Amino acid sequence: EPEVTQTPSHQVTQMGQEVILRCVPISNHLYFYWYRQILGQKVEFLVSFYNNEISEKSEIFDDQFSVERPDGSNFTLKIRSTKLEDSAMYFCASTGLAGKTYNEQFFGPGTRLTVL
Amino acid sequence: QKEVEQNSGPLSVPEGAIASLNCTYSDRGSQSFFWYRQYSGKSPELIMSIYSNGDKEDGRFTAQLNKASQYVSLLIRDSQPSDSATYLCAVKRIKAAGNKLTFGGGTRVLVKP
Repeated sequence: EPEVTQTPSHQVTQMGQEVILRCVPISNHLYFYWYRQILGQKVEFLVSFYNNEISEKSEIFDDQFSVERPDGSNFTLKIRSTKLEDSAMYFCASTGLAGKTYNEQFFGPGTRLTVL
Repeated sequence: QKEVEQNSGPLSVPEGAIASLNCTYSDRGSQSFFWYRQYSGKSPELIMSIYSNGDKEDGRFTAQLNKASQYVSLLIRDSQPSDSATYLCAVKRIKAAGNKLTFGGGTRVLVKP
């Protein structure tokens, strides 16, 4: 069964450093998302991406964040200058098969980001 | 403030019993409703989706939706220790793809042998 994959599973970085989190969405899906979950808190939406552009973003997704689909398979989240409060699990999700009426979002296993 | 509310639990149920989880949402424009299961340290795993008022059954799981009351529930029949997890309710404004999921804080379920 197709699944969303993410790398790395755990990333440790120093405050102020740039990190890139990588995702391979399910093949043929059209919409891609990043969510994050701070330990003990709700899953929060960051950004959605469709047709090579951002379709929606939350207040969390400020100028420090960017997303990119550099090729036909990868979807990346870049944090330019990490802060301590960026420490969280980051989940990639994908959905959207052409012609399908109802579309569920499927999540990858996540990347645990620890900012020291 | 558009929110999704769940009782945090823990909801403790004996093995073989029915676990009943509730979720309320504030956005009357919501059209799609989902239940995800999340084991500790893992990602959300989709277990049910429901789009119309009424009940939807899938194996041991039954989702119930009442849009007028802005309420969605999940029943887990014949609960097993492996069902011990946090169950996340999520809503979306549209049925089609696109649009973000808004999650509740989750209900922790403990199934005791």
